[in-house]
Amino acid sequence: GNSVTQMEGPVTLSEEAFLTINCTYTATGYPSLFWYVQYPGEGLQLLLKATKADDKGSNKGFEATYRKETTSFHLEKGSVQVSDSAVYFCALCPSSGGSYIPTFGRGTSLIVHP
Amino acid sequence: DAGVIQSPRHEVTEMGQEVTLRCKPISGHNSLFWYRQTMMRGLELLIYFNNNVPIDDSGMPEDRFSAKMPNASFSTLKIQPSEPRDSAVYFCASTEDRLNTEAFFGQGTRLTVV
Repeated sequence: GNSVTQMEGPVTLSEEAFLTINCTYTATGYPSLFWYVQYPGEGLQLLLKATKADDKGSNKGFEATYRKETTSFHLEKGSVQVSDSAVYFCALCPSSGGSYIPTFGRGTSLIVHP
Repeated sequence: DAGVIQSPRHEVTEMGQEVTLRCKPISGHNSLFWYRQTMMRGLELLIYFNNNVPIDDSGMPEDRFSAKMPNASFSTLKIQPSEPRDSAVYFCASTEDRLNTEAFFGQGTRLTVV
């Protein structure tokens, strides 16, 4: 079946540091890939997505590139801010099979210190 | 659109009581998901509806849990009787059930069973 594996947290960084959160996936075909962010007390919301190989999704300074050859979709940001502290979820949505049920990773907590 | 709306935001109940969580999906979305989030297990898919029909309820933990979707704009998740281990945040999400689309989450219901 489909699965998403992301690095365990928490990831603790100082403000303006570089961020990488690793994500790899297992799926048949060419799924769509997503990063969601969950701020404290809120639901998940879409951060960025990529729908085909070599696509780069970007939003709010975050980027992730769909790498088919390594089945990865790592999240990066060049300079994090305290306000980026949240839990980040990598997810995929299958492109075939008739049911578009998203599969989520366990989530990675990011803590950014001033 | 106001997004996915869940109620109540917080629920505290005594063990053995019945609990009903409510969800209004985004208008026009024909897929609806109920998730449970805990520190131990992360985000778990409980049940998936498509066009108001339950398609996959393999994630429902026990017979104490039941879910209904009587129409396209309303769904309920019921726990009867509730137990302390049911304490978690329950999320409802909806999608358009098509390729490359993201899931839209409600703000969740934090359930505490004492």
